[in-house]
Amino acid sequence: EVQLLESGGGLVQPGGSLRLSCAASGLTFSTYAMGWVRQAPGKGLKWVSSISAGGGTTYYTDSVRGRFTISRDNSKNTLDLQMDSLRAEDTAVYYCANLVVSGGWYFEYWGQGTLVTVSS
Amino acid sequence: QSALTQPASVSGSPGQSITISCTGTSSDVGGYNYVSWYQHHPGKAPKLIIYEVTYRPSGVSNRFSGSKSGNTASLTISGLQPEDESDYYCTTYTSSNTPVIFGGGTKVTVL
Repeated sequence: EVQLLESGGGLVQPGGSLRLSCAASGLTFSTYAMGWVRQAPGKGLKWVSSISAGGGTTYYTDSVRGRFTISRDNSKNTLDLQMDSLRAEDTAVYYCANLVVSGGWYFEYWGQGTLVTVSS
Repeated sequence: QSALTQPASVSGSPGQSITISCTGTSSDVGGYNYVSWYQHHPGKAPKLIIYEVTYRPSGVSNRFSGSKSGNTASLTISGLQPEDESDYYCTTYTSSNTPVIFGGGTKVTVL
């Protein structure tokens, strides 16, 4: 059974930093691209960032580029999202998911999410 | 990159069929057979129900089906059941530096 478990969410002041982690099990982590998707309160799902299976290629949505950094440790089966210069509009539940990119681009399995609240 | 366009809400009675549209451009929906659909019950993990326009993952009911014509993809739920009441999102690959784009989401209500 595939499990993706996010952690690291919490309350942070505007301008602050937070590091999210996602622990993966039940899949060959090193063979999958991975991604983060968020849902702000009352809003829809929005893609945030993705990283290739080997970690050498990263992608970001425009609103977080330069502030967020995605990374992975294939020896520990973990995915991270370093979030700096946080803004109120970054408040959301953040989900990690594995991303199938061969023949299609889709998020196959998802975690339960971790809540990030940016507020003073 | 603008979000894909979905209707905000769709409703139907038990047993009926409903269709949710997902409209993009030739650079995303129309350009690739990479549309996927997700069911999201609030507070739970989203669930993949359709990938590559028409394929269902193992374990997903065959009441869910996907299609595409031009720049618009569609998700059809046949034999609507109360447990189908949820939010549904489409997404696809785009040929830009932000390669993933989601639709705004559609709330399905079973009357």
